Amino acid sequence: DAKTTQPNSMESNEEEPVHLPCNHSTISGTDYIHWYRQLPSQGPEYVIHGLTSNVNNRMASLAIAEDRKSSTLILHRATLRDAAVYYCILRDKERTSGTYKYIFGTGTRLKVLA
Amino acid sequence: GAGVSQTPSNKVTEKGKYVELRCDPISGHTALYWYRQSLGQGPEFLIYFQGTGAADDSGLPNDRFFAVRPEGSVSTLKIQRTERGDSAVYLCASSLLAGVSYEQYFGPGTRLTVT
Repeated sequence: DAKTTQPNSMESNEEEPVHLPCNHSTISGTDYIHWYRQLPSQGPEYVIHGLTSNVNNRMASLAIAEDRKSSTLILHRATLRDAAVYYCILRDKERTSGTYKYIFGTGTRLKVLA
Repeated sequence: GAGVSQTPSNKVTEKGKYVELRCDPISGHTALYWYRQSLGQGPEFLIYFQGTGAADDSGLPNDRFFAVRPEGSVSTLKIQRTERGDSAVYLCASSLLAGVSYEQYFGPGTRLTVT
């Protein structure tokens, strides 16, 4: 499975944009880039995903490098409720079983300062 | 609508005992996943169900762990002869279909403590 590299932690001020980086230099052509976040004492929550083009939704934006070896999750205005661990995951179909399981790393712990 | 629910939310058991953890997925979701999360780590895949069948159980650590989904909805994770190393948060997730673009919806987890 292709792996991702993220900083262990980041800090942001409230109401400022946050750029969370992810490196995935061994990404394959069929890997999708998924982002989840996990708030304290909760299960992970889907944020956004993409393949090649930049993506926007109500929660965030995903900027994917042209060579796809890195991506950035953008929170446009961080709030205290955005404090969480953010996971960048590559997702592809496991050939033999057809499983679309997630292989989580340790993620980036985002701290939002009031 | 209702999300994924898991019961119990907390379970404390003695070493060597048997435990069952239950997952109620979102209605109509055909794919169901179990993960395990230790403190400070990301979730670790255990098993995947497509309908009633376990399509991928490659993440189960050993034969003390077993999971079922007899009617294609509710799933139970069963752990025999529990060990202290089994202490973790057990997460269940479901998705409408098993596809690369279908996100998984996670439950709040069951915190298992083996004393």
